[in-house]
Amino acid sequence: EGQLAESGGDLVQPGGSLRLPCAASGFTFGGYWMSWVRQAPGKGLEWVAYIKQDGSETYYVDSVKGRFTISRDNAKNSLYLQMNNLRVEDTAIYYCARTPRGGYWYFDLWGRGTLVTVSS
Amino acid sequence: EILMTQSPATLSVSPGERATLSCRASQSVSSNLAWYQQRPGQAPRLLIYDASPRATGIPARFSGSGSGTEFILTISSLQPEDFTVYYCQQYKNWPPTFGQGTKVEIK
Repeated sequence: EGQLAESGGDLVQPGGSLRLPCAASGFTFGGYWMSWVRQAPGKGLEWVAYIKQDGSETYYVDSVKGRFTISRDNAKNSLYLQMNNLRVEDTAIYYCARTPRGGYWYFDLWGRGTLVTVSS
Repeated sequence: EILMTQSPATLSVSPGERATLSCRASQSVSSNLAWYQQRPGQAPRLLIYDASPRATGIPARFSGSGSGTEFILTISSLQPEDFTVYYCQQYKNWPPTFGQGTKVEIK
């Protein structure tokens, strides 16, 4: 079945940076596209970024392009989200999620999420 | 970007009764639609993908239907743990987008 576990969420000031790790276990991590999806407090879900199995392709929602970087280390079964120049509107729970089939961008395994709060 | 609209925002149903949730896409997404359940304080859980197949371990009381722009999630006999929030998501067009959610509450 597999498990995902995010960490690294914190309170950060606008303009600050944060790096979120996600540890994967129980499945062949390197065989899957992976994503970050976020949820602002009391709001719906928003896909943020994708990364291909080997890290050679990445995609981002327009609102984070140039500020966020998704990466992975398959040897460590880990996914990362580097967030720079954070804005108040980036405040959300950040989930890492697995895409079961390349080209079909839905998510069959989610972590419990980590809260990022951007505030002065 | 495809806009996904869910209705109603809140659905009041008695335990054991049927719940019917709707999701409409602003343009055709073929059958590239998923449904998720999210309980308070928990991550979303995949229920349905490709509009109708159930994900692994999902009870048979959950069923999905539709194609193009109109989709339905049916919960045939509501159990206590089913009273929570449900989201639809399209993955036909880039970027993948979610509906705003339907909350199923106890009547």
